[in-house]
Amino acid sequence: AIQLTQSPSSLSASVGDRVTITCRASQGLSSALAWYQQKPGKAPKVLIYDASSLESGVPSRFSGSGSGTDFTLTISSLQPEDFATYYCQQFNSYPLTFGPGTKVDIK
Amino acid sequence: QITLKESGPTLVKPTQTLTLTCTFSGFSLNTTEVGVGWVRQPPGKALEWLALIYWDDDKRYSPSLKSRLTITKDTSKNQVVLTMTNMDPVDTATYYCAHSRWFGEPGYFDYWGQGTLVTVSS
Repeated sequence: AIQLTQSPSSLSASVGDRVTITCRASQGLSSALAWYQQKPGKAPKVLIYDASSLESGVPSRFSGSGSGTDFTLTISSLQPEDFATYYCQQFNSYPLTFGPGTKVDIK
Repeated sequence: QITLKESGPTLVKPTQTLTLTCTFSGFSLNTTEVGVGWVRQPPGKALEWLALIYWDDDKRYSPSLKSRLTITKDTSKNQVVLTMTNMDPVDTATYYCAHSRWFGEPGYFDYWGQGTLVTVSS
């Protein structure tokens, strides 16, 4: 199974900050990676698919980049509603796997 | 508008079998490339993929749980059912169903149900 690691596991940031989260895969994924946002008590919401494609309706301050084994989610200017946990997920092959998550909280 | 909703017991005893139903609307599992999957999340922990079924009845399972899982679909009712045998307290989690697509490779999950918390306890 392809393992995903995320760094950092948590971070504290202020409104307006630029935030970068990294996801690393144990094998090459091409671009078969998605990013999700999850708020407490809620289902995950997809932000980015195919490593860099913005899901419809998602604010443009979210962007994704990378291919192969190294991927990045960037929030260009953190907003109050962005405080949440972020997960990456690979869909290059079965079993589908998720990263351990990165919690973004208020500084 | 695509919606999904999970239903099933909130409490099961160890060794029992869990049966969860995902009822969806806004799409059909008769449509080419459509799939419905299950993902769970223990309290305070990360997401874990369990199973996925496609329009053509292709079924995929997490290898670590494959012996305990069965996923089926009822296209006439717009439902997908997941059964998990021999439940254990470590299976306590929120269980989500989610919509996916096949584009020549497994897909991501673009629509999710609200989730249902299942507690395993005697």
